[in-house]
Amino acid sequence: EPEVTQTPSHQVTQMGQEVILRCVPISNHLYFYWYRQILGQKVEFLVSFYNNEISEKSEIFDDQFSVERPDGSNFTLKIRSTKLEDSAMYFCASSEVAEHSTNEKLFFGSGTQLSVL
Amino acid sequence: KNEVEQSPQNLTAQEGEFITINCSYSVGISALHWLQQHPGGGIVSLFMLSSGKKKHGRLIATINIQEKHSSLHITASHPRDSAVYICAVPYSGGGADGLTFGKGTHLIIQP
Repeated sequence: EPEVTQTPSHQVTQMGQEVILRCVPISNHLYFYWYRQILGQKVEFLVSFYNNEISEKSEIFDDQFSVERPDGSNFTLKIRSTKLEDSAMYFCASSEVAEHSTNEKLFFGSGTQLSVL
Repeated sequence: KNEVEQSPQNLTAQEGEFITINCSYSVGISALHWLQQHPGGGIVSLFMLSSGKKKHGRLIATINIQEKHSSLHITASHPRDSAVYICAVPYSGGGADGLTFGKGTHLIIQP
C-alpha cells in the first residue's frame, strides 16, 4: 500500500530555534494536512493545503507556523521560533480528494516527535 | 467548530467479546471518520461514512445523522484489536478542511 513518509522521526531543538518538518505525501494525492498530538492529549488539526495554498487552518496555526510545497513531492511545516509547548508528535496526512468527500480515505505518516528544550 | 465526545474513554474486555464505542458530535456533518491509533502512535483510517452502516472484516461502523451519533463495533474481539479508537468529524464543514478529533477510546482486549 502507498504510504506517507515523514522525516525526521525525532527532532530535538532548543527553544527559539526554527525547525522544519518534512513530509512526502502519496504521489497522486492533492490534499495535504498537518496535525499534532501533545503527549497524552487528542490529535489536533493544524492546517490543510490544496492547490498550493492553505485551505483551512486552526487557531493553533498562528504566525509562527508556515507550510510550503517547495517541489512536486515534499510538503513541509516550519515552526519559526519554537516554544516549549510546541513539543508534540506532528503528523502529516494526505488524501486524493477532500476530507468531506464520501469516498475519500486519509493516509497518515508515522509522525515526527518534536522535543523543544 | 464541531465538538466530538467519545465513550467510554477506557474499555477492557475479554477476547471474543462484542465491543461498542460511541461517538457524538455537535454540528451537522457530511461525513464522519473512525481511525485507529496503534500503541506506537501510528494512525490508520478505518472508515469514513456519511449514512447507514459500513463493514470491514470484524469492524462495523454505523451513523445516525439526525441524532449526530455514530458507533463502532468490533465482533469477536482479539488482543490485536487493542489500540486507541478515535472518532473525527470535519473541523468546520467547508472545503478541504481538516478533522476535529475525539479524545479516543483506549481499548484493551485480554486473552
